[in-house]
Formats: sequence, C-alpha cells, structure tokens
Amino acid sequence: DADVTQTPRNRITKTGKRIMLECSQTKGHDRMYWYRQDPGLGLRLIYYSFDVKDINKGEISDGYSVSRQAQAKFSLSLESAIPNQTALYFCATSDDRLAGRLRSSYNEQFFGPGTRLTVL
Amino acid sequence: AQKITQTQPGMFVQEKEAVTLDCTYDTSDPSYGLFWYKQPSSGEMIFLIYQGSYDQQNATEGRYSLNFQKARKSANLVISASQLGDSAMYFCAMREASGSARQLTFGSGTQLTVLP
Repeated sequence: DADVTQTPRNRITKTGKRIMLECSQTKGHDRMYWYRQDPGLGLRLIYYSFDVKDINKGEISDGYSVSRQAQAKFSLSLESAIPNQTALYFCATSDDRLAGRLRSSYNEQFFGPGTRLTVL
Repeated sequence: AQKITQTQPGMFVQEKEAVTLDCTYDTSDPSYGLFWYKQPSSGEMIFLIYQGSYDQQNATEGRYSLNFQKARKSANLVISASQLGDSAMYFCAMREASGSARQLTFGSGTQLTVLP
C-alpha cells in the first residue's frame, strides 16, 4: 500500500461547488503539505501543517481552506470552486524531527499520487 | 525574484547519451538543500537526488549525479546513459533551513524526451 494516498484521483466539478480533497499517510510524519501544480509553474505551496493544532498558509492560500483531522489526515477544501483552480494537487509529508541536519539519504518530502481537479 | 530557475523548458537526448539539466538558485541562507524530482506522464513526483549546501562532494545516485557549483549557485542534474523511461518532466527544488514552512520551492521544470 502507498504511504501517502490522495482521494479522489480525478474530479470534474462545476463553478461554485464545494470540493474536498483528502490526504492520508501511514508514514507517521508530523508535517503535511498541500501543493498545487500548474503547467509551466512547478509546484506552489497552498497550506502546511506542523501538527494537528498547527495550520499555516502557504504562498497561494486564497480560495482554499484545510483541516488536519488527525496526524495522518490533511484535507484541502475549495469552498466555492472557480475555473482557475483547475490544476494538479499534491499532498506531501515530511519528518522534521530530523530537519535540523538537512542531511539525508532519504526522501525529504514524500508526495502522494496527485489529484487532477477540473473546474468547469 | 525567482528562487529556482530552470532555463530549459524542453530537452532532447539520444538514448544511451548523457544529458545535463540546468538549475540555478537564489538564497542568502547558508544552510539549504537542493532536490531533483522526476514527474512522468502519470503525474507522480519521484525523488531522485539530494545535495546539502555543506556537502563537500557532489551527490550521486545510480545514473543520476548532481553537479553542484556553490559559488555559481547552480545544481545541475546529470543523467548518464539515458533510457527511454527517463522521458519525463524534471523539477529542481530548494529547501532553506531558515524557512518556517520547511517547504520545497520548485522551479518550472524541464521536459526531457529521450529519443530511440
């Protein structure tokens, strides 16, 4: 089973609808992230969470909200979807108990498989 | 200013040849890490290689090596003996130690196509 899962994998919705994207991880990591990928722009950070009680805005949080229901679950919501939110969304996790060293032979961030969201 | 710049939107390489994908970065933090990820057409992000700012030697992972030139602030990915399965989008990313989010800042990517 994958360590980081995202549901749904694909979603087509209409303008104005509320959408929730879910992310679950079995890695036991403390930190979770939501990124958005648009063609030609790489990935940009939407929200991040250090633990269940710590939620922070990223670079492009407008129009989005998140919920960290448990250490293993981090959901992203679009309260009223608009067409320019059509993108590929990634959830990622990291174990920052080792962060101070910034040395690693391990994956610094583990990414989920992505959710393709289309807003019509 | 862009923190990560990838100037090659697309690259072509013949199978079995080596290819270098360029990445330059901008930071004033003395402690940072540089990452390369591969994104095949299926969409998942696959970690390839990591270089820490204090690492004395260039990182290598199998056919992947990172040409780290700290003074030039460049971290180019070298893929040796290209294979057809290497065709994908490649992203360079940086994480600064001072950043509170600990997030990765990504470049815009390079689409690599390996020709048979």
